[in-house]
Amino acid sequence: GAGVSQSPSNKVTEKGKDVELRCDPISGHTALYWYRQRLGQGLEFLIYFQGNSAPDKSGLPSDRFSAERTGESVSTLTIQRTQQEDSAVYLCASSLGGYQGNTEAFFGQGTRLTVV
Amino acid sequence: GEDVEQSLFLSVREGDSSVINCTYTDSSSTYLYWYKQEPGAGLQLLTYIFSNMDMKQDQRLTVLLNKKDKHLSLRIADTQTGDSAIYFCAEIIRYDYKLSFGAGTTVTVRA
Repeated sequence: GAGVSQSPSNKVTEKGKDVELRCDPISGHTALYWYRQRLGQGLEFLIYFQGNSAPDKSGLPSDRFSAERTGESVSTLTIQRTQQEDSAVYLCASSLGGYQGNTEAFFGQGTRLTVV
Repeated sequence: GEDVEQSLFLSVREGDSSVINCTYTDSSSTYLYWYKQEPGAGLQLLTYIFSNMDMKQDQRLTVLLNKKDKHLSLRIADTQTGDSAIYFCAEIIRYDYKLSFGAGTTVTVRA
C-alpha cells in the first residue's frame, strides 16, 4: 500500500475482554515497530520485528501483550484481559530496515483503544 | 526507561527561535532523526542527519550533532504557531538496527 495502515482506527472495549490490533506495513519494509502513546505522553516502545530475526519484545509491559508478524507483512498486536491502563493510542511503524542504510520509519495513524 | 533522553516541555514566544535538545546512547549510530507529531496526528519525519555531518540546515530548521557528547539539537528559527507539536529524537541502535525514540518534547508556541 501507499502507507502504513492500521485497523481499527478506534476501539472501545470492556475491561477484561481481549482485543486485536492490526498493522499493514509498507510493502518491502522488513522492519516493523509497535509503540504505545498514552494521552499527552511520549512514545513507549513495545516490540520490534526485523526480517526473520527473533523479535525484540523487551518493551511489552506484561504477558497480557503479544504480537505476531507473518513474514514481512501484516502484524497483529493482541492484548488479553484488557485493563483501563491499557487505554492509549497504539502506533505501528515500518521501515526498510537497518541493512538499507537510512531507515526512515513511516508511521500509521494509530488505533485509539479505550477500555471502559 | 528511554535510552534517548529529551526534555519534556518547551515554551517559546512566536517569532523567537526554539532549541530542542536530545542525548542519544549509541556512539556508532549512523543516522539520527527528528520526527514531528502535530495534535491528533501521526508522526512524520521532519529531518535527519548522517553521523559524518556536524550540521544540517533546511530552511528554518538547523540540526547540530556533537558526536563526542552524543548530543543532537534541533533549532527552529522564527517559530510559528504551526510549530506547536511534539518533537521526537531518534537514533539507530547499531547492533540490531532498531530505531530508538526519545519520549518527545512538547513545544508550545505562545503569542
